Amino acid sequence: EPEVTQTPSHQVTQMGQEVILRCVPISNHLYFYWYRQILGQKVEFLVSFYNNEISEKSEIFDDQFSVERPDGSNFTLKIRSTKLEDSAMYFCASSEWGVGTEAFFGQGTRLTVV
Amino acid sequence: AQRVTQPEKLLSVFKGAPVELKCNYSYSGSPELFWYVQYSRQRLQLLLRHISRESIKGFTADLNKGETSFHLKKPFAQEEDSAMYYCALKPMNTGFQKLVFGTGTRLLVSP
Repeated sequence: EPEVTQTPSHQVTQMGQEVILRCVPISNHLYFYWYRQILGQKVEFLVSFYNNEISEKSEIFDDQFSVERPDGSNFTLKIRSTKLEDSAMYFCASSEWGVGTEAFFGQGTRLTVV
Repeated sequence: AQRVTQPEKLLSVFKGAPVELKCNYSYSGSPELFWYVQYSRQRLQLLLRHISRESIKGFTADLNKGETSFHLKKPFAQEEDSAMYYCALKPMNTGFQKLVFGTGTRLLVSP
C-alpha cells in the first residue's frame, strides 16, 4: 500500500537555525499538507499546497515558514529561523481531490529546538 | 469557527467492555466528520468517516446534528484497540483536507 514518507524522523536544531523537513507524498495525489502537534496539544493544520502554490494556510504559518515542491516527488517545509516554540511533531499528508477522499499521513518528524 | 472537543484524555476499560469515545463539534455549516487512530509508534490513519456510514474493526460512529456529536462506539473492546483516537472535521463539500482535530483520547484496554 502506498505511504507518505517523512525524513528525518527526529531533528534537533539550535534556536535561530534553518531547518527543512522533507516529505514524499503518495505519487498520484494532488494535494499536500503540513500539520503540527505540539506535545500534549492537538494536531493543527499549517498549510495546504496544490498545483505548485499554497491553497490555504493557517495563522500559525507565518513568514518564518515556507513550503516547496522542488521536484516531482518531494514536498518540503522550511522554517527559516527556528524558535523554541517550534518544537513539535510535524506531519505531512497528501490526498486526492474531492468529497469523500481522505488524508494520508506520514509518520511525522519530531523537531526539537534547543 | 470550527472546533472539535474530546472531553476525555484517557479512557481505560477492560477487554470485552463497551467503549464510547466522545466527540462534540462546533461548526455553523455542514461538516464532514472523521475518526483517526494512531497506534503506538505508527502514523495517523483514518478509522471511519460519517459519510460512509461503515463499521471498521467493530467501531461505529453516528453523526447527531442535534447534539453536534460524533461519538465513537464499540460494543466489545479488544486489547489491540489500545491507541490514541482523534475526532476531526472539515467543511462538507470542500475537496481538500483541511482538518480540525480534537485533542485526542487515549484508549487503554486491559486484559
